[in-house]
Amino acid sequence: EPEVTQTPSHQVTQMGQEVILRCVPISNHLYFYWYRQILGQKVEFLVSFYNNEISEKSEIFDDQFSVERPDGSNFTLKIRSTKLEDSAMYFCASGQGDYNEQFFGPGTRLTVL
Amino acid sequence: ELKVEQNPLFLSMQEEKNYTIYCNYSTTSDRLYWYRQDPGKSLESLFVLLSNGAVKQEGRLMASLDTKARLSTLHITAAVHDLSATYFCAVDANTGNQFYFGTGTSLTVIP
Repeated sequence: EPEVTQTPSHQVTQMGQEVILRCVPISNHLYFYWYRQILGQKVEFLVSFYNNEISEKSEIFDDQFSVERPDGSNFTLKIRSTKLEDSAMYFCASGQGDYNEQFFGPGTRLTVL
Repeated sequence: ELKVEQNPLFLSMQEEKNYTIYCNYSTTSDRLYWYRQDPGKSLESLFVLLSNGAVKQEGRLMASLDTKARLSTLHITAAVHDLSATYFCAVDANTGNQFYFGTGTSLTVIP
């Protein structure tokens, strides 16, 4: 069964450093998303991406964040200068658009020291 | 901003008992989703509810949607330990591009 994959599973970085989180969505999906979940809290929307551009973004997704689909398979989230409060689990999701059902990857745990 | 609230936040229930988790949301939406999350794991899709009155069942779980009341329920029948997890509802605000997740209900089924 096709699934969303994410790498790395755990990333530790120093405050102020740039990180890139990678995702490979399900191959025939057209819609891509990033969410984050701070430990013990609910899942929060960051950004959605369709047709090679951002469709929607939340207030969390400020100038420090960017997304890219550099080739036909990868979807990346970049945080330019990490802050302590960026520590969270980051989930990538993808969907076909039908009923907007979204399928989530296993997540990348980001720890900012 | 669309608000999605679940209750209870924590639920400890005995095996073989029944219980209902409630998901209320603050704006019009015809689409609601239920996910399960095990500790340290990702979100597993359980149900997709796409219209008023929709009811779906899988095993011991049954989900329903009342769009007029802006309410969805997840009913657990004869709970078993394997159902222990956190359950999230998520609402699509009809923009088609983002989900608003509920606060989550942490369910523990005890023998």
